[in-house]
Amino acid sequence: GAVVSQHPSRVICKSGTSVKIECRSLDFQATTMFWYRQFPKQSLMLMATSNEGSKATYEQGVEKDKFLINHASLTLSTLTVTSAHPEDSSFYICSARDLATSGNTIYFGEGSWLTVV
Amino acid sequence: DAKTTQPNSMESNEEEPVHLPCNHSTISGTDYIHWYRQLPSQGPEYVIHGLTSNVNNRMASLAIAEDRKSSTLILHRATLRDAAVYYCILTGTASKLTFGTGTRLQVTL
Repeated sequence: GAVVSQHPSRVICKSGTSVKIECRSLDFQATTMFWYRQFPKQSLMLMATSNEGSKATYEQGVEKDKFLINHASLTLSTLTVTSAHPEDSSFYICSARDLATSGNTIYFGEGSWLTVV
Repeated sequence: DAKTTQPNSMESNEEEPVHLPCNHSTISGTDYIHWYRQLPSQGPEYVIHGLTSNVNNRMASLAIAEDRKSSTLILHRATLRDAAVYYCILTGTASKLTFGTGTRLQVTL
């Protein structure tokens, strides 16, 4: 199946700093990517939909100025957590839609653990 | 997005078949049925998807009801590595892939 890669897989940052997570579709072009966060023992919560060349669409309750999303190319979307606080510590997962598949299948990255200290 | 309903958990013995059910009574005609599974501390892994006909791949089989209001993911011989949370999700061209709580599958020796 198609491959989506996230980097870094784990990151620790100090409170008040910003951290960037990259999401790449390695073998297909993705006009649409999605960002999720997941707390322990909970399901994935959609944060935003990232569209190549346009502004991201954020889900209700997600602060767009805190979680900056950029989708500048067909293979790369980035999530920047600005002014991070301990409560932002979570597992962040990206996914990308492969329009070449019959069901527009969405493939997920490996996830990125963010710890804010 | 149309919603799906799955049991919270299921148990299976190793090397026995497992049937994971999913109800999606509000599915639209263009929605595909996708199944993913998630191991601890990993992103969801694609398992299988289908529209109307039953589907088979190296990982599993997908049986879709004739009215498409339910489907069943079939693992033919469960192994310990199949222990995961399984998500049944409906996708359309513009859908966002919203996750429910999924089914936590436990596999025992």
